[in-house]
Amino acid sequence: SQTIHQWPATLVQPVGSPLSLECTVEGTSNPNLYWYRQAAGRGLQLLFYSVGIGQISSEVPQNLSASRPQDRQFILSSKKLLLSDSGFYLCAWSAVVGGEKLFFGSGTQLSVL
Amino acid sequence: AQSVTQPDIHITVSEGASLELRCNYSYGATPYLFWYVQSPGQGLQLLLKYFSGDTLVQGIKGFEAEFKRSQSSFNLRKPSVHWSDAAEYFCAVVTLTGGFKTIFGAGTRLFVKA
Repeated sequence: SQTIHQWPATLVQPVGSPLSLECTVEGTSNPNLYWYRQAAGRGLQLLFYSVGIGQISSEVPQNLSASRPQDRQFILSSKKLLLSDSGFYLCAWSAVVGGEKLFFGSGTQLSVL
Repeated sequence: AQSVTQPDIHITVSEGASLELRCNYSYGATPYLFWYVQSPGQGLQLLLKYFSGDTLVQGIKGFEAEFKRSQSSFNLRKPSVHWSDAAEYFCAVVTLTGGFKTIFGAGTRLFVKA
């Protein structure tokens, strides 16, 4: 069966420090991969999505970047964190065929201080 | 542009009472519509989905939703709420541009009173 792993679960970082959040999917190949952010009291905002290795689409201009170095690995990064980057980050995947349904990781709570 | 509106930020219902969470969407074509539930500090879990056919869809945990094209709505219902239903609920529409992309509403937080 397919599983999605996301880590770390929580992270506290100072302003200006770098960021790397990792997400891996098991049990499927060539998934579509997504990074969402959920700010406190707000809904989910799609940040990036990827339909294949090295193919990244950015939805909103921001201080973050994403990379997909392997088929089932999706990384969210920043060179210098801002206070406004705080939030709950969710990785998700969907199948290429019948890919309407999203499967989510357990999320990373990022606090930038 | 595609969008999803959940007009209620939070709702409080008594345990055993009925529930309806509202969702309106904006999408040019026939939408793929979803409801997800999120427990505190967790990821999201799919409750139900609508693609086509019968406009009343059944989901897990006793939830159902009805697609009304004339009202651009996809409201979520449950006849009798349990305390464990307290969570945040997200309505979503899937677009087909460049692969599947899910657009979420802002969410409705459900509180259940004993």
